[in-house]
Amino acid sequence: DSGVTQTPKHLITATGQRVTLRCSPRSGDLSVYWYQQSLDQGLQFLIQYYNGEERAKGNILERFSAQQFPDLHSELNLSSLELGDSALYFCASSRTHRSSYNEQFFGPGTRLTVL
Amino acid sequence: SQKIEQNSEALNIQEGKTATLTCNYTNYSPAYLQWYRQDPGRGPVFLLLIRENEKEKRKERLKVTFDTTLKQSLFHITASQPADSATYLCALGGDKIIFGKGTRLHILP
Repeated sequence: DSGVTQTPKHLITATGQRVTLRCSPRSGDLSVYWYQQSLDQGLQFLIQYYNGEERAKGNILERFSAQQFPDLHSELNLSSLELGDSALYFCASSRTHRSSYNEQFFGPGTRLTVL
Repeated sequence: SQKIEQNSEALNIQEGKTATLTCNYTNYSPAYLQWYRQDPGRGPVFLLLIRENEKEKRKERLKVTFDTTLKQSLFHITASQPADSATYLCALGGDKIIFGKGTRLHILP
């Protein structure tokens, strides 16, 4: 158990809808990262927050947004969903803002299916 | 653009032998390189981190090398066991982290 929690575990929704994925980092970790993993694309970095502020941005679509709250939990909002958004979404946390030399602790993921 | 290549084909290794996985990269000068293990349907688990000025790092049966001239990292599992079967991801660290697609490793009993 990494100490990172994600809810829900599974999510099935329809095209055009909006969903919110939730992540609670490990105790003491200030950075939260969001990743999308699909079979053909591998693990794609979406966005990083550090202590409530956006720290780095990856291949995140404009239809997606995220935030980190004062209690350090984070939410990833996906809107106007398309079939291609079906994937595993992982949240990870680390102690500091430097992703490159901090090990990241990954949550169990949320499997999103868009029908 | 930055590119990471890991062998997309599965690697089958006999139990007890050494498994060697390769990670090649282009158009990038990472300060760090990390290796993660991922089991089906689960999140990646951190294994090892190696810095650009380190040639080799070991942890129990695991060994990682980092050659910044060749732009390559090798990941070795010695005395491999069926429990080592998983997908192994390499990740390059700079301003942000970039993951390879991973190599599936099967250790055959």
